[in-house]
Amino acid sequence: SYEVTQPPSVSVSPGQTARITCSGDAFPWQNAYWYQQRPGQAPILLIFKDTERPSGIPERFSGSSSGTTATLTISRVQAEDEADYYCQSADRGGGYPHWVFGGGTKLTVL
Amino acid sequence: EVQLLESGGGLVQPGGSLTLSCGASGFNFDNYVMTWVRQAAGKGLEWVSSISRSGSSTYYADSMKGRFNISRDNSKNTLFLQMNSLRAEDTALYYCAREDILTGSSRGFDLWGLGTLVTVSS
Repeated sequence: SYEVTQPPSVSVSPGQTARITCSGDAFPWQNAYWYQQRPGQAPILLIFKDTERPSGIPERFSGSSSGTTATLTISRVQAEDEADYYCQSADRGGGYPHWVFGGGTKLTVL
Repeated sequence: EVQLLESGGGLVQPGGSLTLSCGASGFNFDNYVMTWVRQAAGKGLEWVSSISRSGSSTYYADSMKGRFNISRDNSKNTLFLQMNSLRAEDTALYYCAREDILTGSSRGFDLWGLGTLVTVSS
């Protein structure tokens, strides 16, 4: 079955830039979506269709995609950004997608 | 207030059945595709099933196909997930989520409930 792969963990100091990658063979033609999940809370949509940000999401969060890798970039990292981050994509084209999530990346703010 | 509220979780024996509900409020429920996503304790997110706005089309992850049945009642702004032949590995927090689709393109799961816990154990 199709999988998208994320690093288990990323660490960054406050004020620095964090980059979380998501690898998947379908990314050249499938979009990437990104979610933030703080402990004990439901996920929050951060990025949709590779680069777009829902209203209310700070501009510090941005997305990009190139080849088989999608990337979530968090600029000027704050302590409150410490959370798990999940990428999401689909494994097939045509019709409604069969969604897959990456295994999640735990962002630690040092 | 725009929100989703799941209910119906609990302890069930292996091989048993359970039906989850998700009540929607604060938005036009029948304008959105609705989805169930689950998360086992300490694990990642797993897509379970989605249903079209009218309820006429349903979609399932391969491991749930034939055991789970998603449905909706737009008159009551409620989403359901009937789960049969439950296994220990179905133990998880089950979230319902709203999917915004514009001109055939998904804008992601932009609203989530708090989840309802399903435990499959003897």
